[in-house]
Amino acid sequence: DAGVTQSPTHLIKTRGQQVTLRCSPKSGHDTVSWYQQALGQGPQFIFQYYEEEERQRGNFPDRFSGHQFPNYSSELNVNALLLGDSALYLCASSHPDRGSNTQYFGPGTRLTVL
Amino acid sequence: GDSVTQMEGPVTLSEEAFLTINCTYTATGYPSLFWYVQYPGEGLQLLLKATKADDKGSNKGFEATYRKETTSFHLEKGSVQVSDSAVYFCALSDSGGSYIPTFGRGTSLIVHP
Repeated sequence: DAGVTQSPTHLIKTRGQQVTLRCSPKSGHDTVSWYQQALGQGPQFIFQYYEEEERQRGNFPDRFSGHQFPNYSSELNVNALLLGDSALYLCASSHPDRGSNTQYFGPGTRLTVL
Repeated sequence: GDSVTQMEGPVTLSEEAFLTINCTYTATGYPSLFWYVQYPGEGLQLLLKATKADDKGSNKGFEATYRKETTSFHLEKGSVQVSDSAVYFCALSDSGGSYIPTFGRGTSLIVHP
């Protein structure tokens, strides 16, 4: 049973550029959430996708957008990158309709903005 | 809003010592409580969870009991190993259906041989 996978592992960008991160959920999961984890901090919720729509959103600007595909995989896009966007970006999957509120995390994508 | 407070780290212990990492929470309703572990350079792994008051979650020798009266979910292990060195995150997830966990800031554990 494959767990949550993310790509790429590491990414280096410069200010003003755009980036796309990818996530495949755990088998059987239909809900994908994205988190930003700054160095020394806990993960902060960005948004959650279910049935190809954004279901919930945290306190992040519109520069952060996402997409979910029919196979439940997801992308996180960040436009006009700032130095402060440097962080570990975590994807988590779940299946709340099965009555479980446990989220399973991928290994993350380390984004460095120079 | 919901919040989680963890003890400041790093916690530094010798191998085979007893571990306690304190976690308290503020939430409306009856949240589920979680401990996640993050090893260096990796994502978060679910360590254990408890979904209602007085439940005890346990895994790999770690335990935590959901104490509603003290709004706490302290993590304990009787004898730590060097391989337990990691950052531990306490989290809660409300029971209202959003299932979005709120995380504490994490507590770094360093275990010396």
